[in-house]
Amino acid sequence: DTAVSQTPKYLVTQMGNDKSIKCEQNLGHDTMYWYKQDSKKFLKIMFSYNNKELIINETVPNRFSPKSPDKAHLNLHINSLELGDSAVYFCASSHDAPGALHQPQHFGDGTRLSIL
Amino acid sequence: GQNIDQPTEMTATEGAIVQINCTYQTSGFNGLFWYQQHAGEAPTFLSYNVLDGLEEKGRFSSFLSRSKGYSYLLLKELQMKDSASYLCAVKSWGKLQFGAGTQVVVTP
Repeated sequence: DTAVSQTPKYLVTQMGNDKSIKCEQNLGHDTMYWYKQDSKKFLKIMFSYNNKELIINETVPNRFSPKSPDKAHLNLHINSLELGDSAVYFCASSHDAPGALHQPQHFGDGTRLSIL
Repeated sequence: GQNIDQPTEMTATEGAIVQINCTYQTSGFNGLFWYQQHAGEAPTFLSYNVLDGLEEKGRFSSFLSRSKGYSYLLLKELQMKDSASYLCAVKSWGKLQFGAGTQVVVTP
């Protein structure tokens, strides 16, 4: 009965490779997010999708490309991985609508990406 | 942009009370959240404030003063399992921006 699930949990790969992280939520939420948490534990928003539409796109290299096939899924594809991409990537979801600003975001368990 | 400041680390004894302060500067304020994150785990929601005042939830309480750009999270009757990072997050213009987190260490 996992609410927000992301795979894989661990990802170790070589610099220059392309990899994808998948995220699915079964909470019926309409908004999904990708966050990056670096070694200093600072959690930073990367992207947000509402009903499959991109609504937040922070200053992220265009090697990172999110894709939302439906509102329950938000995947993250990363091209030409670099050493600085090593971090924990968290997927999250929430219900965002007028009158629902108090609704919290629910996070997945994170994907620990290590670039060799 | 916005700045969110909270102390890096706090240490307290089991059974004690700890208050984690958070100050912020933002426009388009839509509320302030507190999250708890244990090492190697996902952040989990603790509390939400959008109006001034105190919200109490069991051993945890959160306070907000919008005019001062200030919030605190109060943890009472500390337990060893409360050792974690506590993240202050401000929602504005549809985005949730997190502070760097306060690592709380509970000692026996």
